[in-house]
Amino acid sequence: KAGVTQTPRYLIKTRGQQVTLSCSPISGHRSVSWYQQTPGQGLQFLFEYFSETQRNKGNFPGRFSGRQFSNSRSEMNVSTLELGDSALYLCASSVDSSNTGELFFGEGSRLTVL
Amino acid sequence: AQSVAQPEDQVNVAEGNPLTVKCTYSVSGNPYLFWYVQYPNRGLQFLLKYITGDNLVKGSYGFEAEFNKSQTSFHLKKPSALVSDSALYFCAVRSVGGGNKLTFGTGTQLKVEL
Repeated sequence: KAGVTQTPRYLIKTRGQQVTLSCSPISGHRSVSWYQQTPGQGLQFLFEYFSETQRNKGNFPGRFSGRQFSNSRSEMNVSTLELGDSALYLCASSVDSSNTGELFFGEGSRLTVL
Repeated sequence: AQSVAQPEDQVNVAEGNPLTVKCTYSVSGNPYLFWYVQYPNRGLQFLLKYITGDNLVKGSYGFEAEFNKSQTSFHLKKPSALVSDSALYFCAVRSVGGGNKLTFGTGTQLKVEL
C-alpha cells in the first residue's frame, strides 16, 4: 500500500507570492490533517479535512487555507507569503476523523520564502 | 487547552543501556496520548498510543510507554537502546472528540552512542 504522498518536496518562493501544496492520503483514508513544523514553534496543527469538510482549524491567519477533494486528496494554499512561513509542511492521513488510530505522515513539503 | 511538555531537549545514552524520554501532559478529560519519531528530513512515524486500558503500552521497534494518571506523565522507554534509535521523538495528546488535532511537545533529540 502506498504511503502518504506530498508534492512538491521542496520549493522556494519569494515574499508576497502564493503557494499550493498537495497531499495524497493512503488509499481508503478519508481524513487529512496538515501541520507546520518550524525550529522555533515546533509542530503546529493547521487544519483537518474529512469527507471534503473542514473539521478542525488551528490558530493560523486566513492566508492559510485548504480543501479536500472527493477522492480524499487535499491541498493547502498559503497566500501573500511571509518570511516566517518558511517551514516543513506535513500532511497526515487517517482512516477517519473519530477513530483513535495513529496518523500516517508524509515526508513533507519544505517551503523556503526569500 | 491541552498541552504537552517534553522537559529534555536532548537525551544521550550508550548503546545497550535503557532509555527514557519524558513527557507530561495537561488535558481536560481523558487523554489520548501518542509517541512519534522523526528521522532527518522525513515525516513522523507512529510508535505507540495510549487510549485506555493497561498503563504500560507496547509499541513499534521495542519501545514502550508508561501512562501515569496521577503524575500526568507518559514516558517513553526502551530496555536496550540501539544506535539506530537516534532520532527526534515527539509526544502528542489529543482530546476526546478532538478529531485528529494533535498537540505536540517540542521534541526530544535522542542520541545513542557506541
